Amino acid sequence: ETGVTQTPRHLVMGMTNKKSLKCEQHLGHNAMYWYKQSAKKPLELMFVYSLEERVENNSVPSRFSPECPNSSHLFLHLHTLQPEDSALYLCASSSQGREETQYFGPGTRLLVL
Amino acid sequence: LAKTTQPISMDSYEGQEVNITCSHNNIATNDYITWYQQFPSQGPRFIIQGYKTKVTNEVASLFIPADRKSSTLSLPRVSLSDTAVYYCLVVPDRGSTLGRLYFGRGTQLTVWP
Repeated sequence: ETGVTQTPRHLVMGMTNKKSLKCEQHLGHNAMYWYKQSAKKPLELMFVYSLEERVENNSVPSRFSPECPNSSHLFLHLHTLQPEDSALYLCASSSQGREETQYFGPGTRLLVL
Repeated sequence: LAKTTQPISMDSYEGQEVNITCSHNNIATNDYITWYQQFPSQGPRFIIQGYKTKVTNEVASLFIPADRKSSTLSLPRVSLSDTAVYYCLVVPDRGSTLGRLYFGRGTQLTVWP
């Protein structure tokens, strides 16, 4: 247990569905991250939230929409996804200014049919 | 941020010591060297960080020569459960790296019986 939980752990959805991934951290951190990991590819940072700024990877399609209502919770809203979006989606958190020490959740394995 | 280069894969047998070397020729004065471990279908896990000379914890040792242009992660007496991908990252000690941490492809270590 890393102190970062993600739900659901597995998700199968059709291309017309709308779903949300949830992440919660119990570490008192104030920065949270979404990563995408496709098979045989490096981790791809999608979004970052911290107290002072939000950082987006400009290559992330608009069908992915993040939400961070407070420092402990992070959501990734999904709509009209494509099969190539099937991947492991990882959430992480850290203390602001200590990004090199991130704590990752177990991930959500997403399959888009 | 300094780029890193590490072998794509390594093989070892149980009980052996494994050394994974990472090159970071453009490391800056205030950069730290950080290593993560990732098991299949899980998020990466921080294992060790160092600035110079040698750092040791319950999981691994990290050797950094005086010029700091490379570093070596040493895993003593590996077991089958050490089979994982190992990532070497270089991050600044101060200032914002938000959104710029790059994991790369890492080194796939396979431990055989």
